[in-house]
Amino acid sequence: QVPLVQSGAEVGKTGASVRLSCKASEDTFTNHYYVHWVRQAPGQGLEWLGVLYATVGSTAYGPKFEGKVTLTKDTSTGTIFLDLRGLASEDTGVYYCMRSVFMTAVTDDSFWAQGTLVSVS
Amino acid sequence: QSILTLPPSVSAAPGQTVTMSCSGNSNNIGSNDVSWYRQFPGTGPQLLIYQGDKRASGIPDRFSGSKSDRSATLGITGLQFGDEALYFCAVWDRSLRIWLFGGGTHVTVL
Repeated sequence: QVPLVQSGAEVGKTGASVRLSCKASEDTFTNHYYVHWVRQAPGQGLEWLGVLYATVGSTAYGPKFEGKVTLTKDTSTGTIFLDLRGLASEDTGVYYCMRSVFMTAVTDDSFWAQGTLVSVS
Repeated sequence: QSILTLPPSVSAAPGQTVTMSCSGNSNNIGSNDVSWYRQFPGTGPQLLIYQGDKRASGIPDRFSGSKSDRSATLGITGLQFGDEALYFCAVWDRSLRIWLFGGGTHVTVL
């Protein structure tokens, strides 16, 4: 089973909100994984938005994204959500969910999903 | 501008060696493990190195990682055309409490 699978591309208008989803394998929730969200603007580097501890749902956000981003989970469907508010042109990019066993370190069993393109018009 | 400094590009002929250094400070590279990623156009990042010097599963020993004080280095030996990609370093910053990524280094095989 693929650990993480993301939803399809989204188009949002300036000022609106968009919800991205990341469907996770069951062990993501039972084996205490952290699920991070990272974005990449066109032609740019990677930027960390925040993390959700899948077992209990606690979250941490980058200061830049406090109030902009909310991470939640639905254990019944095995899905983790990223809500992005107040869309602006600079939010255009590919959004990745990634899981790791530790919040501040990566090990060999970390996994990146395929990414979701968000386009803001 | 990224807090982690990487050269924008490196290049070499097939079979040769390239290295790229990721420079940070005491709050990130100086106190936490660095990981390295490779990214081909249109795809997501692929883990190459974790915990500074451990190769991820399936990564050949042509790839190596090391760290010295506040700088980490990725080396690629026996360069191949298939190594052309964008390479990133990543590390947790204990002061900012965020993950940092280097701006990325384009590797070109001449």
